[in-house]
Amino acid sequence: EPEVTQTPSHQVTQMGQEVILRCVPISNHLYFYWYRQILGQKVEFLVSFYNNEISEKSEIFDDQFSVERPDGSNFTLKIRSTKLEDSAMYFCASSVGQGSQPQHFGDGTRLSIL
Amino acid sequence: GNSVTQMEGPVTLSEEAFLTINCTYTATGYPSLFWYVQYPGEGLQLLLKATKADDKGSNKGFEATYRKETTSFHLEKGSVQVSDSAVYFCALSAYNQGGKLIFGQGTELSVKP
Repeated sequence: EPEVTQTPSHQVTQMGQEVILRCVPISNHLYFYWYRQILGQKVEFLVSFYNNEISEKSEIFDDQFSVERPDGSNFTLKIRSTKLEDSAMYFCASSVGQGSQPQHFGDGTRLSIL
Repeated sequence: GNSVTQMEGPVTLSEEAFLTINCTYTATGYPSLFWYVQYPGEGLQLLLKATKADDKGSNKGFEATYRKETTSFHLEKGSVQVSDSAVYFCALSAYNQGGKLIFGQGTELSVKP
């Protein structure tokens, strides 16, 4: 069964450094998402992406964050200058459509900011 | 705004016990409702879904019915197994919200042999 893959599984970065989290969505999916889960808290929506542009973003997704689909397969999340509070598990998801169509999640990248 | 509330965990049950995890939601219109499961060290997996009132989603012995009148989507299973130990998330996707999922806080289930 096709799956969403994320790399790396664990990223350790110094505060203030840039980090790029990578995702390969399922190949025939058109909608792409990033979520994060701070330890012990809810899974929170960050951003959705469709047709090469952001379709919605949360208030968490400030100017430090950006997303890109640089080619036909990868979907990346960049954090320009990381802060301690960016430490979390980041999940990528993709779906065929919106609303009633389920999203398929990767296993996540654990980001640790020192 | 839209929100999802789940019962507090952790929930500890003996094998073959009956499981209920409560989930209620607040949303405008008619959202789609989902249950996701997260096994240790893994990502979120779709367990079941329902897209309109009175729909029943089911998978792997788990069931949940979309109750518009009580704005609920409680997860049930008649006989749990040790392998069901995981964290369960209720979520909604509201119409015209860019497809984003809004999650409850998750309920950890531990099943003892």
